[in-house]
Amino acid sequence: DTGVSQDPRHKITKRGQNVTFRCDPISEHNRLYWYRQTLGQGPEFLTYFQNEAQLEKSRLLSNRFSAERPKGSFSTLEIQRTEQGDSAMYLCASSPPRRGEHTGELFFGEGSRLTVL
Amino acid sequence: GESVGLHLPTLSVQEGDNSIINCAYSNSASDYFIWYKQESGKGPQFIIDIRSNMDKRQGQRVTVLLNKTVKHLSLQIAATQPGDSAVYFCAENSGGYQKVTFGTGTKLQVIP
Repeated sequence: DTGVSQDPRHKITKRGQNVTFRCDPISEHNRLYWYRQTLGQGPEFLTYFQNEAQLEKSRLLSNRFSAERPKGSFSTLEIQRTEQGDSAMYLCASSPPRRGEHTGELFFGEGSRLTVL
Repeated sequence: GESVGLHLPTLSVQEGDNSIINCAYSNSASDYFIWYKQESGKGPQFIIDIRSNMDKRQGQRVTVLLNKTVKHLSLQIAATQPGDSAVYFCAENSGGYQKVTFGTGTKLQVIP
């Protein structure tokens, strides 16, 4: 399978614990995005990387959240001191480099579902 | 802020009929409008997009219509099949790097 891979698929943790999610984008894709999706809602943008540079962070990304993409390939999203409100599906997407316009076609992984007890 | 919203949360359609999913948007500066399909337990999957200077675009069994006058977007699915059952999101891209803003989704139920 050469699609976007996310790990773990499911994570149950206790409030106050730290969790880390990993995303492996499609190999030739230089753009990587993290989204959060709660039940019944559309995905909400969290952050964007172009290669290893983090170019935008949403206001949703509090100081308990940190994302990295150290070598411009895989990315990690860490949530420190988790709260029950962090329970959601965390989606990673990637897209290839484009010389022209950016149409909005993203390739999503299947997500990492977080449950904070 | 800008938003992309949907008129109906759930749409039930008989197998073989055509489906029409509607969406209203508020950001006039959007460059592209996009439709995504999300099946249960999976990530969203790109279906089709339309540039803001177009009013119609066709794909395989799908057609997207854009009415900029009333800020309305629709997705038409011809001969709806059980495999089309999913949640459909309209979305828009107005950033220079494909930052996509999603609406809340419409659940399409196909009745066999």
